[in-house]
Amino acid sequence: EVQLVQSGAEVKKPGESLRISCKGSGYSFTSYWINWVRQMPGKGLEWMGNIDPSDSYTIYSPSFQGHVTISADKSISTAYLQWSSLKASDTAMYYCARRGGSLNNWFDPWGQGTLVTVSS
Amino acid sequence: QSVLTQPPSVSGAPGQRVTISCTGSSSNIGAGYDVHWYQQLPGTAPKLLIYGNNNRPSGVPDRFSGSKSGSSASLAITGLQAEDEADYYCQSYDSSLSGYVFGTGTKVTVL
Repeated sequence: EVQLVQSGAEVKKPGESLRISCKGSGYSFTSYWINWVRQMPGKGLEWMGNIDPSDSYTIYSPSFQGHVTISADKSISTAYLQWSSLKASDTAMYYCARRGGSLNNWFDPWGQGTLVTVSS
Repeated sequence: QSVLTQPPSVSGAPGQRVTISCTGSSSNIGAGYDVHWYQQLPGTAPKLLIYGNNNRPSGVPDRFSGSKSGSSASLAITGLQAEDEADYYCQSYDSSLSGYVFGTGTKVTVL
């Protein structure tokens, strides 16, 4: 079964750093891009960026460029999303999702989500 | 920022047909990029519902169908059921943003 399993919920203070993970299984991890999607409380889906795990080539949405870092370790089939200094406005659910090789492709499957809460 | 516009909500009685529109522009849907649809049940992760404008993944009932014309796309649900109550999002690629865009989302309510 193809699946993406994300790390657990996090509660952090403003200014702290954080890295959350997304582990793929059931398929060739380096053959599919991994995307990250943010969903703020009660809001819609926002694409943050993606990574090609085969060479760690990364593309960011202009809205998130410079605010987060996406990386991957293909040896353990895991992608990461990290912050160096969290803000209260980073409080959200974060999903990873697999995309096929074509730019035109869809996101499937999705991870279960990681809830990040940033509060003093 | 969402560049694909959807109605905030649609509703229908059980058994009825509802449609959800997704309006884009010449840099995304109108440029020929495919539209995909996702269903997000309350408290769960989004799930792929329609891919490549009008294709259903295995396991998705044929009550769900998609179409695309010009710079817009639509999702239709026929024979509406209580279990269809969820949020629905369209998604495409945008060449001016060099990235992916989602619709604003539509909440479907079964009366």
